Amino acid sequence: DAGVIQSPRHEVTEMGQEVTLRCKPISGHNSLFWYRQTMMRGLELLIYFNNNVPIDDSGMPEDRFSAKMPNASFSTLKIQPSEPRDSAVYFCASSFSDYGYTFGSGTRLTVV
Amino acid sequence: ILNVEQSPQSLHVQEGDSTNFTCSFPSSNFYALHWYRWETAKSPEALFVMTLNGDEKKKGRISATLNTKEGYSYLYIKGSQPEDSATYLCAFLRTSYDKVIFGPGTSLSVIP
Repeated sequence: DAGVIQSPRHEVTEMGQEVTLRCKPISGHNSLFWYRQTMMRGLELLIYFNNNVPIDDSGMPEDRFSAKMPNASFSTLKIQPSEPRDSAVYFCASSFSDYGYTFGSGTRLTVV
Repeated sequence: ILNVEQSPQSLHVQEGDSTNFTCSFPSSNFYALHWYRWETAKSPEALFVMTLNGDEKKKGRISATLNTKEGYSYLYIKGSQPEDSATYLCAFLRTSYDKVIFGPGTSLSVIP
């Protein structure tokens, strides 16, 4: 298995632009998580899905952030419009039952 | 608010030394505790998933113990090597459908 695949690895965009981050979880995993890593807050959970259904999106900072999981093998995190304070590393992780999380390599987002 | 704490925040040890650090979590309503290793510029990697009071897990030179009644887990590294340098995160689940709460991590540096 190739693990959790995230794209792009790096994204540099201008303030106000729309940004879409993509994640392909491990086949067979039934939960998917989007995390943001910042120096100030460490790893923050933004949203998680179970069987493609959003379970908890209380960590989504504001309406500019949205996430979808149209099927078991794909999820997107969209920021529209992006702001410089959104600059961070965004991780996607997937899991099956209680076997721990497998993280993707992350997307480093820079908004200038 | 659920608090997961880790101590110490950072640790510097000489190659060959054994070391340990602590994760503290609420002792009521325990479901599972995870340990992750997070190397710089990489993504977190699951080390252990622990679910039972008294659990002891071992992977090579790294082991972990769990006390759910008093709300702590210890991670031990025997004979530290430079490649053990990383941030070690613990993560707590209160129920099977709850989101994982990550601790702030312990940053370990092993000096050759």
